[in-house]
Amino acid sequence: DIQMAQSPSTLSASVGDRVTITCRASQSISSWLAWYQQKPGRAPKLLIYKASSLESGVPSRFSGSGSGTEFTLTISSLQPDDFATYYCQQYHIYSTFGQGTKLEIK
Amino acid sequence: EVQLVESGGGLVQPGRSLRLSCTTSGFTLGDYGMSWSRQAPGKGLEWVGSFTIRGTTEYAASVKGRFTISTDDSKSIAYLQMNSLKTEDTAVYYCYRWESGSSYGNHWGQGTLVTVSS
Repeated sequence: DIQMAQSPSTLSASVGDRVTITCRASQSISSWLAWYQQKPGRAPKLLIYKASSLESGVPSRFSGSGSGTEFTLTISSLQPDDFATYYCQQYHIYSTFGQGTKLEIK
Repeated sequence: EVQLVESGGGLVQPGRSLRLSCTTSGFTLGDYGMSWSRQAPGKGLEWVGSFTIRGTTEYAASVKGRFTISTDDSKSIAYLQMNSLKTEDTAVYYCYRWESGSSYGNHWGQGTLVTVSS
């Protein structure tokens, strides 16, 4: 099975900050990686697919990069609505989610 | 408009069975793969399994041999049959539709809570 190690588990930041979340795969997954945002009591919302493709309607302050085993999600300038939990997901072989990163207000 | 609505959750005793339904609308179910994921209380997302476009199934090791995913294209419903339930299966279960032939999801249901307890 492919394991996904996401870091950090918690991130404290302020409105306007630039933040980066990292996801590492236990083996190469090419670019078969998605990023989601989840708020309490809600289903996950797709942000990025194929490592760097921005889903339609998602603000351009979100961006994804990487290939192989190391990937990043960057939010260029945090907005109040961005405080949530973020998950990566590999879909190269079956599927696996990362453990999640809770983005908190500093 | 694409919609997915899960149902069938509830309280069930360990060792018993439960079948969840994911009723879809706004697209032709047979043209897409479907997946189920779950989220235990206060925990992260866990992929449960998928029904692929080719009609094959894939499962996480934690549920393989106990859970079965199927679809009824005529009713536009995807199912998750859960047998031999364990307390650690307690979670909100979500269904989601594959996108562009790949098993990530842009359309998710609202989730249904399954509680396994005596």
